[in-house]
Amino acid sequence: QVQLVESGGDLVKPGGSLRLSCAASGVRFSDYYMSWIRQAPGKGLEWISSISHTGNTIFYADSVQGRCTISRDNAKNSLFLQMTNLRAEDSAVYYCARLYDYGAAEAFDVWGQGTVVTVSS
Amino acid sequence: EIVLTQSPDTLSLSPGERATLSCRASPSLGGSYLAWFQKRPGQSPRLLIYGTFTRATGIPDRFSASGSGTDFTLTISRLEPEDFAVYFCQEYGSSPSITFGQGTRLDIK
Repeated sequence: QVQLVESGGDLVKPGGSLRLSCAASGVRFSDYYMSWIRQAPGKGLEWISSISHTGNTIFYADSVQGRCTISRDNAKNSLFLQMTNLRAEDSAVYYCARLYDYGAAEAFDVWGQGTVVTVSS
Repeated sequence: EIVLTQSPDTLSLSPGERATLSCRASPSLGGSYLAWFQKRPGQSPRLLIYGTFTRATGIPDRFSASGSGTDFTLTISRLEPEDFAVYFCQEYGSSPSITFGQGTRLDIK
């Protein structure tokens, strides 16, 4: 079955950097748009970034524009999120999710278990 | 940019009761879609509904959804103990960015 496993979350100081990874299995990874979504403690879900099948089309939320870079390696079935100049408000559980095309609609049908990023001095 | 406002923030009900959760979009969604997710503590979000109306694979038929334009509803016909969780609506298709509602917490009364 399709599985997504995130890694790379850590405790980092404000202004620091971190690279998150998401390993996919049980799926032809290159067939799908992928996204990063986060949930800060006590808050709701926030979409961060999406990347197309080939990586040619990328979108970012305003809250991370200029500080985050999404990328993928289809040969290694992997998705990445490079985060720089981290702030306390970036502290959250970060999920990768697959965007599945049902034909009439698209939706995030598979999610990883999440990786925790804590930004604190 | 679409803003999704869910109501109520918290809904307290008993098992066996009917739950009605609201998601209001501003401006209207037009031709874009709404999805609903369930989030239990310590677990990943679970897709319940996509394309505004359609249950995802494996979702029990006690979950249903309706709506169009600005007003959307998720209904759980008879609450089971495992249904007490936080529910999020999400819009996709109106722009490159993707919006979630702030969530409705469904608590056991």
